[in-house]
Amino acid sequence: DTGVSQDPRHKITKRGQNVTFRCDPISEHNRLYWYRQTLGQGPEFLTYFQNEAQLEKSRLLSDRFSAERPKGSFSTLEIQRTEQGDSAMYLCASSLAGLEQYFGPGTRLTVT
Amino acid sequence: GENVEQHPSTLSVQEGDSAVIKCTYSDSASNYFPWYKQELGKRPQLIIDIRSNVGEKKDQRIAVTLNKTAKHFSLHITETQPEDSAVYFCAASRDTGTASKLTFGTGTRLQVTL
Repeated sequence: DTGVSQDPRHKITKRGQNVTFRCDPISEHNRLYWYRQTLGQGPEFLTYFQNEAQLEKSRLLSDRFSAERPKGSFSTLEIQRTEQGDSAMYLCASSLAGLEQYFGPGTRLTVT
Repeated sequence: GENVEQHPSTLSVQEGDSAVIKCTYSDSASNYFPWYKQELGKRPQLIIDIRSNVGEKKDQRIAVTLNKTAKHFSLHITETQPEDSAVYFCAASRDTGTASKLTFGTGTRLQVTL
C-alpha cells in the first residue's frame, strides 16, 4: 500500500494521560499536514510541515500538543495531559508541494 | 482567516437524478478548491479539484464550477448512483508556495435512494 498510513487506528486513554500518534506519508511527498475531525464536522487544520520544518500551527493547537517530523519522512503528534475535549479523529495528509492532499485513515482518539 | 460555508447539510435524491452542492468562501486570495468524499468510517477521498484560473472542470459524472467574483463554487453529480451516498466536503486553500492548509466546509450528507 503506497498511500498515507497512520498508527494506531484507535486509541482509548484516560484523562490526563499522554498519547502519541504516527503518520507515514506517501514517500515522495514533502508536505505533511495534521487535521482534527469531530463528529459531523469537516476536518480542521492543526499544523503542517514542509520537509522537516514545521511552518504553521493553528490556534487550535494548544501547548499540550506537539508535532515533529524529524527527518522529513514520518511525523508524530503528541498530546500531553489529555482532556475529554481532545476526543476526535486525527487525520494526517500529505502532498507534493502545493498539489493535491491525500489523507490517511485517521487515528480515532477516545478520552475517558 | 478563511471561512467556508456549505449547503445543503443533507441532500436526498433518487437514483439517476442530479445533485448539486454549493460552497462559498471568504478569502479572495484562495486559489485552490478541492472536493472530498467521505464514507462512514473512511478517510476523506479527493474526488475533484479546481484552481482559480479555471471556471469549470469535469470528470465523468462529476463537475465543479467556480465563480471567483462571487466567491462560490459548486459540485455537480449527474446520473447519481447508490454508491455516491456519502458525506461530501468542499475546501479552500491559498497556496503561497510555503502554505496550503485546507479550510473545509461543514459537509453535505448525500443519500441516493433507489
